[in-house]
Amino acid sequence: DAKTTQPTSMDCAEGRAANLPCNHSTISGNEYVYWYRQIHSQGPQYIIHGLKNNETNEMASLIITEDRKSSTLILPHATLRDTAVYYCIVRADRPKISSGSARQLTFGSGTQLTVLP
Amino acid sequence: ETGVTQTPRHLVMGMTNKKSLKCEQHLGHNAMYWYKQSAKKPLELMFVYNFKEQTENNSVPSRFSPECPNSSHLFLHLHTLQPEDSALYLCASSQDFQGSNYGYTFGSGTRLTVV
Repeated sequence: DAKTTQPTSMDCAEGRAANLPCNHSTISGNEYVYWYRQIHSQGPQYIIHGLKNNETNEMASLIITEDRKSSTLILPHATLRDTAVYYCIVRADRPKISSGSARQLTFGSGTQLTVLP
Repeated sequence: ETGVTQTPRHLVMGMTNKKSLKCEQHLGHNAMYWYKQSAKKPLELMFVYNFKEQTENNSVPSRFSPECPNSSHLFLHLHTLQPEDSALYLCASSQDFQGSNYGYTFGSGTRLTVV
């Protein structure tokens, strides 16, 4: 799976949009971009994923550049409860059985987002 | 509640003890996973089960022994652990073992302290 690069930490004012960037310049054509977040001392929570097109759900929007080498997770109106570590992961859809651990989710260090009152 | 329940939430054990962590999911998923998260480190995948069959063991020491009696339950049996094994142990499940397009659902974890 392609490696991702995220800033170590970011701050955002409550009520404002939080834009979290992720670089994945070595992404392959069959790899999706997934975003998870982990609130302190809890398990990671799935947020959103996408392949090429921008995606939106009740939690967030995902903007993927046309060359797919980077993406941005947008939390439109950040609240204090959005303070968490955000993980950007790229992973192939239905990778071959022989690819071993590559078919599983591999978490990096993520971005610590702190929403400030 | 995520639909994946882990017990206990906290566990303190001595290095000579034997204990077990339990994970239960009510989502109808067919794949289950154990992850380890040590302080200041990324999550590490330990074991993968698909339809009760272990499909992956990421070079985990034998003092960690997983068991999956059915698709809804997953155990991690612990014996003669070391202090460096202290960590948050997370269970996850997914629709299928490749987790494609459905994502993973995680439990809240068991905070393990080895003394």
